[in-house]
Amino acid sequence: GAVVSQHPSRVICKSGTSVKIECRSLDFQATTMFWYRQFPKQSLMLMATSNEGSKATYEQGVEKDKFLINHASLTLSTLTVTSAHPEDSSFYICSASGQLQETQYFGPGTRLLVL
Amino acid sequence: GENVEQHPSTLSVQEGDSAVIKCTYSDSASNYFPWYKQELGKRPQLIIDIRSNVGEKKDQRIAVTLNKTAKHFSLHITETQPEDSAVYFCAASDTGNQFYFGTGTSLTVIP
Repeated sequence: GAVVSQHPSRVICKSGTSVKIECRSLDFQATTMFWYRQFPKQSLMLMATSNEGSKATYEQGVEKDKFLINHASLTLSTLTVTSAHPEDSSFYICSASGQLQETQYFGPGTRLLVL
Repeated sequence: GENVEQHPSTLSVQEGDSAVIKCTYSDSASNYFPWYKQELGKRPQLIIDIRSNVGEKKDQRIAVTLNKTAKHFSLHITETQPEDSAVYFCAASDTGNQFYFGTGTSLTVIP
């Protein structure tokens, strides 16, 4: 299957700083990338959907100014958590899908801890 | 929009027994239904999927059935093994651009 990488896998930062998470599709062109947040023992919560070259579509309740998403190429999307606070600590997972209707392939996730 | 419900939320079975997880969806336009397995701290992995033009699909010990009329689909795992223990998510999609996930089922296979 398709491979999606995510970097970093873990990050610890101080409150008030910004953190950037990268999501890359390694062997296919990802026309659409998704960003999820997952709390322990809970389902995936979709934060936003981004199409290459377009502005991301955010889900209701997700602050677009706080969670900046950029999808500048067909293989890279970034999520920047701005002015992070302890409540932003979570597991962030990206996924990507190609041009045809196909499944999403997930990255390994980034565990963010804000102190 | 689409609403996907998944049951049960937790499931324990004895090794060797079968496990069944059920999902329902609300939008008749949904036509693609993947199932993901997520082990603790790891990414969800696609284990099987089915499209709306098919009623059943099987891959070794895993099978998925789809009832379009009733808008439900199920995951069946036979001859369960301890390594099948994980959280399983169903999903529904109509365009490939939006996936709606179920709330997950935590499966425990007891040796």
